[in-house]
Amino acid sequence: KQEVTQIPAALSVPEGENLVLNCSFTDSAIYNLQWFRQDPGKGLTSLLLIQSSQREQTSGRLNASLDKSSGRSTLYIAASQPGDSATYLCAVRPDRGSTLGRLYFGRGTQLTVWP
Amino acid sequence: SAVISQKPSRDICQRGTSLTIQCQVDSQVTMMFWYRQQPGQSLTLIATANQGSEATYESGFVIDKFPISRPNLTFSTLTVSNMSPEDSSIYLCSVYAGTDTQYFGPGTRLTVL
Repeated sequence: KQEVTQIPAALSVPEGENLVLNCSFTDSAIYNLQWFRQDPGKGLTSLLLIQSSQREQTSGRLNASLDKSSGRSTLYIAASQPGDSATYLCAVRPDRGSTLGRLYFGRGTQLTVWP
Repeated sequence: SAVISQKPSRDICQRGTSLTIQCQVDSQVTMMFWYRQQPGQSLTLIATANQGSEATYESGFVIDKFPISRPNLTFSTLTVSNMSPEDSSIYLCSVYAGTDTQYFGPGTRLTVL
């Protein structure tokens, strides 16, 4: 069974800092990996999706990398802002298994960016 | 992309009662997923709901406890039956909509007293 771990569980930083959030997974047989943002009462918002054949994806101040063979992904947030405060979730989609399309999630990193 | 709405957004229920959660999508989709997020835990898949067939449940989840309906390609319901405090969670539905990105509804926050 796929297990996803995220480190750190919580992070509190002043505005302007560059951040790295870590995600690791136990089974490297993945189809893709997604990073989500979770805001209270607003569900999950997809930030970046990396296919298994890709090494990284970028969107604005966000950059996600994937090292499939070692079972790791990082989400880099540049020049953090208070509006970045949220819980960040990492999820992997297996490339095989009985449930097509299901995701396995980590517990998330709760990020607080203070002015 | 897909826009997903859920009702109710939150509820407080008494032990032993049941609650039905609705999930509406703004486009037709083949698969809909129901996840549970217990306090401090990761999201866990409850079941996959396909139109015209029985839902497929993950290990540890059973139809008697979490009956699901999928009457058409834009709508699904999840019922949490005979609730106990351990059922207090956020329940989310999700879909794929033409791409590999999975879209999620806003969630239903359930508290069982």
